[in-house]
Amino acid sequence: QQQVKQSPQSLIVQKGGISIINCAYENTAFDYFPWYQQFPGKGPALLIAIRPDVSEKKEGRFTISFNKSAKQFSLHIMDSQPGDSATYFCAAQTSGSRLTFGEGTQLTVNP
Amino acid sequence: NAGVTQTPKFQVLKTGQSMTLQCAQDMNHEYMSWYRQDPGMGLRLIHYSVGAGITDQGEVPNGYNVSRSTTEDFPLRLLSAAPSQTSVYFCASSYIIGTEAFFGQGTRLTVV
Repeated sequence: QQQVKQSPQSLIVQKGGISIINCAYENTAFDYFPWYQQFPGKGPALLIAIRPDVSEKKEGRFTISFNKSAKQFSLHIMDSQPGDSATYFCAAQTSGSRLTFGEGTQLTVNP
Repeated sequence: NAGVTQTPKFQVLKTGQSMTLQCAQDMNHEYMSWYRQDPGMGLRLIHYSVGAGITDQGEVPNGYNVSRSTTEDFPLRLLSAAPSQTSVYFCASSYIIGTEAFFGQGTRLTVV
Protein backbone atom coordinates (compact mmCIF):
# COMPACT_ATOMS: atom_id res chain seq x y z
CA GLN A 1 0.00 0.00 0.00
CA GLN A 2 1.35 3.36 -1.06
CA GLN A 3 1.10 5.84 1.78
CA VAL A 4 2.79 8.66 -0.13
CA LYS A 5 1.48 9.64 -3.55
CA GLN A 6 3.70 11.73 -5.82
CA SER A 7 2.91 13.62 -9.01
CA PRO A 8 3.67 14.19 -11.77
CA GLN A 9 5.56 11.09 -12.87
CA SER A 10 7.57 13.17 -15.32
CA LEU A 11 8.09 16.89 -15.80
CA ILE A 12 9.76 18.93 -18.52
CA VAL A 13 10.70 22.53 -17.76
CA GLN A 14 12.62 25.16 -19.66
CA LYS A 15 15.80 26.60 -18.21
CA GLY A 16 14.96 29.40 -15.80
CA GLY A 17 11.45 28.11 -15.15
CA ILE A 18 9.90 26.81 -11.93
CA SER A 19 9.62 23.07 -11.34
CA ILE A 20 6.88 21.94 -8.97
CA ILE A 21 6.48 18.39 -7.65
CA ASN A 22 3.64 17.46 -5.36
CA CYS A 23 3.17 14.77 -2.73
CA ALA A 24 0.23 13.71 -0.59
CA TYR A 25 0.27 11.46 2.43
CA GLU A 26 -2.26 9.54 4.48
CA ASN A 27 -0.64 8.81 7.82
CA THR A 28 -1.10 11.80 10.12
CA ALA A 29 1.62 10.41 12.39
CA PHE A 30 4.31 11.27 9.82
CA ASP A 31 6.54 13.98 11.28
CA TYR A 32 9.48 14.21 8.87
CA PHE A 33 9.27 14.85 5.15
CA PRO A 34 12.51 14.64 3.17
CA TRP A 35 13.10 15.01 -0.55
CA TYR A 36 15.77 12.93 -2.24
CA GLN A 37 17.48 13.70 -5.55
CA GLN A 38 18.82 10.94 -7.77
CA PHE A 39 21.06 11.40 -10.80
CA PRO A 40 21.30 8.64 -13.43
CA GLY A 41 23.46 5.76 -12.26
CA LYS A 42 23.66 7.08 -8.71
CA GLY A 43 21.89 6.44 -5.45
CA PRO A 44 19.40 8.94 -4.04
CA ALA A 45 20.81 11.71 -1.85
CA LEU A 46 19.02 13.93 0.64
CA LEU A 47 18.18 17.31 -0.91
CA ILE A 48 16.03 19.10 1.66
CA ALA A 49 13.65 18.12 4.44
CA ILE A 50 10.89 19.68 6.54
CA ARG A 51 9.05 18.95 9.77
CA PRO A 52 5.34 19.80 10.09
CA ASP A 53 5.85 22.60 12.61
CA VAL A 54 6.76 24.95 9.73
CA SER A 55 4.90 25.65 6.50
CA GLU A 56 7.91 26.37 4.33
CA LYS A 57 11.63 25.71 4.18
CA LYS A 58 14.00 27.23 1.67
CA GLU A 59 17.54 26.23 0.78
CA GLY A 60 18.93 28.16 -2.16
CA ARG A 61 16.70 27.55 -5.19
CA PHE A 62 14.86 24.68 -3.49
CA THR A 63 11.77 25.26 -1.35
CA ILE A 64 9.46 22.81 0.40
CA SER A 65 5.90 24.00 1.02
CA PHE A 66 3.93 22.05 3.62
CA ASN A 67 0.15 22.03 4.15
CA LYS A 68 -0.61 19.98 7.24
CA SER A 69 -4.41 20.27 7.02
CA ALA A 70 -4.43 19.05 3.42
CA LYS A 71 -1.74 16.43 4.14
CA GLN A 72 0.26 17.66 1.17
CA PHE A 73 3.76 18.93 0.59
CA SER A 74 5.58 20.08 -2.51
CA LEU A 75 9.04 20.83 -3.83
CA HIS A 76 9.60 24.01 -5.81
CA ILE A 77 12.79 24.48 -7.81
CA MET A 78 13.23 28.10 -8.80
CA ASP A 79 15.31 29.16 -11.82
CA SER A 80 15.56 25.51 -12.89
CA GLN A 81 18.86 24.54 -14.52
CA PRO A 82 19.82 21.64 -16.80
CA GLY A 83 21.96 20.35 -13.93
CA ASP A 84 18.76 19.89 -11.91
CA SER A 85 17.65 17.17 -14.34
CA ALA A 86 17.25 14.13 -12.11
CA THR A 87 14.65 11.94 -10.44
CA TYR A 88 13.13 13.40 -7.29
CA PHE A 89 11.54 11.34 -4.53
CA CYS A 90 9.44 12.64 -1.71
CA ALA A 91 9.32 10.58 1.45
CA ALA A 92 7.75 10.56 4.88
CA GLN A 93 8.40 8.91 8.21
CA THR A 94 7.58 9.00 11.88
CA SER A 95 10.26 9.15 14.56
CA GLY A 96 11.91 5.78 14.85
CA SER A 97 10.26 4.40 11.75
CA ARG A 98 11.26 3.56 8.22
CA LEU A 99 11.08 5.91 5.25
CA THR A 100 8.09 5.60 2.94
CA PHE A 101 8.86 6.91 -0.54
CA GLY A 102 6.69 8.36 -3.26
CA GLU A 103 6.81 6.97 -6.77
CA GLY A 104 9.36 9.48 -8.05
CA THR A 105 9.33 12.31 -10.60
CA GLN A 106 11.72 12.43 -13.53
CA LEU A 107 12.59 16.09 -14.11
CA THR A 108 14.11 17.26 -17.37
CA VAL A 109 15.25 20.87 -17.68
CA ASN A 110 15.80 21.88 -21.27
CA PRO A 111 18.54 24.41 -22.05
CA ASN B 1 35.32 8.39 3.43
CA ALA B 2 33.68 5.67 1.30
CA GLY B 3 30.15 5.91 2.77
CA VAL B 4 27.96 3.04 1.53
CA THR B 5 29.61 0.65 -0.91
CA GLN B 6 27.65 -1.85 -2.99
CA THR B 7 29.04 -4.65 -5.11
CA PRO B 8 28.64 -5.65 -7.85
CA LYS B 9 27.38 -2.70 -9.90
CA PHE B 10 25.88 -4.92 -12.59
CA GLN B 11 24.85 -8.58 -12.60
CA VAL B 12 23.05 -10.91 -14.98
CA LEU B 13 21.60 -14.10 -13.53
CA LYS B 14 19.77 -17.02 -15.01
CA THR B 15 16.43 -17.98 -13.53
CA GLY B 16 16.96 -20.21 -10.52
CA GLN B 17 20.49 -19.06 -9.74
CA SER B 18 21.37 -17.63 -6.36
CA MET B 19 23.63 -14.74 -5.52
CA THR B 20 24.53 -12.27 -2.80
CA LEU B 21 24.53 -8.50 -3.19
CA GLN B 22 27.11 -6.97 -0.89
CA CYS B 23 26.68 -3.77 1.10
CA ALA B 24 29.19 -2.21 3.47
CA GLN B 25 29.20 1.12 5.30
CA ASP B 26 32.04 2.81 7.16
CA MET B 27 30.01 5.40 9.08
CA ASN B 28 29.25 3.20 12.11
CA HIS B 29 25.54 3.46 11.32
CA GLU B 30 23.17 1.23 13.25
CA TYR B 31 20.34 1.18 10.71
CA MET B 32 20.76 -0.44 7.31
CA SER B 33 18.20 -1.27 4.67
CA TRP B 34 17.73 -2.68 1.20
CA TYR B 35 15.41 -1.17 -1.42
CA ARG B 36 14.50 -2.10 -4.93
CA GLN B 37 13.72 0.57 -7.50
CA ASP B 38 11.35 -0.15 -10.36
CA PRO B 39 9.96 2.39 -12.86
CA GLY B 40 6.89 4.17 -11.54
CA MET B 41 7.03 2.39 -8.19
CA GLY B 42 9.55 4.43 -6.26
CA LEU B 43 11.82 2.77 -3.73
CA ARG B 44 10.32 -0.23 -1.99
CA LEU B 45 11.80 -1.58 1.21
CA ILE B 46 12.89 -5.23 1.08
CA HIS B 47 14.55 -5.84 4.45
CA TYR B 48 16.08 -3.72 7.15
CA SER B 49 18.23 -4.00 10.25
CA VAL B 50 18.32 -1.77 13.34
CA GLY B 51 21.62 -3.24 14.52
CA ALA B 52 23.93 -6.24 14.36
CA GLY B 53 22.00 -9.46 14.81
CA ILE B 54 18.58 -7.83 14.24
CA THR B 55 16.75 -7.92 10.91
CA ASP B 56 13.15 -7.51 9.84
CA GLN B 57 11.03 -7.58 6.70
CA GLY B 58 9.96 -4.58 4.67
CA GLU B 59 7.15 -4.36 2.13
CA VAL B 60 8.55 -6.76 -0.49
CA PRO B 61 10.64 -9.42 1.31
CA ASN B 62 9.66 -12.55 -0.62
CA GLY B 63 12.56 -14.23 -2.40
CA TYR B 64 15.22 -12.39 -0.40
CA ASN B 65 17.18 -13.13 2.75
CA VAL B 66 19.41 -10.92 4.85
CA SER B 67 21.71 -11.23 7.84
CA ARG B 68 23.62 -8.69 9.90
CA SER B 69 26.58 -10.23 11.67
CA THR B 70 28.53 -6.96 11.92
CA THR B 71 27.61 -3.27 12.09
CA GLU B 72 29.38 -2.64 8.78
CA ASP B 73 27.93 -5.30 6.49
CA PHE B 74 24.40 -6.10 5.37
CA PRO B 75 24.32 -8.59 2.47
CA LEU B 76 21.17 -9.37 0.50
CA ARG B 77 20.74 -12.92 -0.76
CA LEU B 78 18.57 -13.98 -3.68
CA LEU B 79 17.80 -17.63 -3.08
CA SER B 80 16.42 -18.61 -6.49
CA ALA B 81 16.38 -15.70 -8.91
CA ALA B 82 13.22 -14.98 -10.89
CA PRO B 83 12.66 -12.52 -13.77
CA SER B 84 10.41 -10.49 -11.44
CA GLN B 85 13.52 -9.68 -9.41
CA THR B 86 15.03 -7.76 -12.30
CA SER B 87 15.51 -4.34 -10.75
CA VAL B 88 17.98 -1.83 -9.39
CA TYR B 89 18.85 -2.55 -5.77
CA PHE B 90 19.98 0.08 -3.31
CA CYS B 91 21.47 -0.34 0.11
CA ALA B 92 21.13 2.54 2.57
CA SER B 93 22.34 3.29 6.06
CA SER B 94 21.37 5.77 8.76
CA TYR B 95 22.85 6.68 12.13
CA ILE B 96 19.69 5.26 13.68
CA ILE B 97 16.25 4.52 12.23
CA GLY B 98 14.42 7.74 11.42
CA THR B 99 17.47 9.82 10.50
CA GLU B 100 18.97 10.80 7.13
CA ALA B 101 19.52 7.83 4.84
CA PHE B 102 22.76 7.51 2.87
CA PHE B 103 22.49 5.37 -0.24
CA GLY B 104 24.98 3.29 -2.15
CA GLN B 105 25.35 3.59 -5.92
CA GLY B 106 23.12 0.64 -6.63
CA THR B 107 23.30 -2.80 -8.25
CA ARG B 108 21.51 -3.29 -11.56
CA LEU B 109 20.32 -6.91 -11.64
CA THR B 110 18.88 -8.63 -14.67
CA VAL B 111 17.38 -12.10 -14.38
CA VAL B 112 16.93 -13.91 -17.70
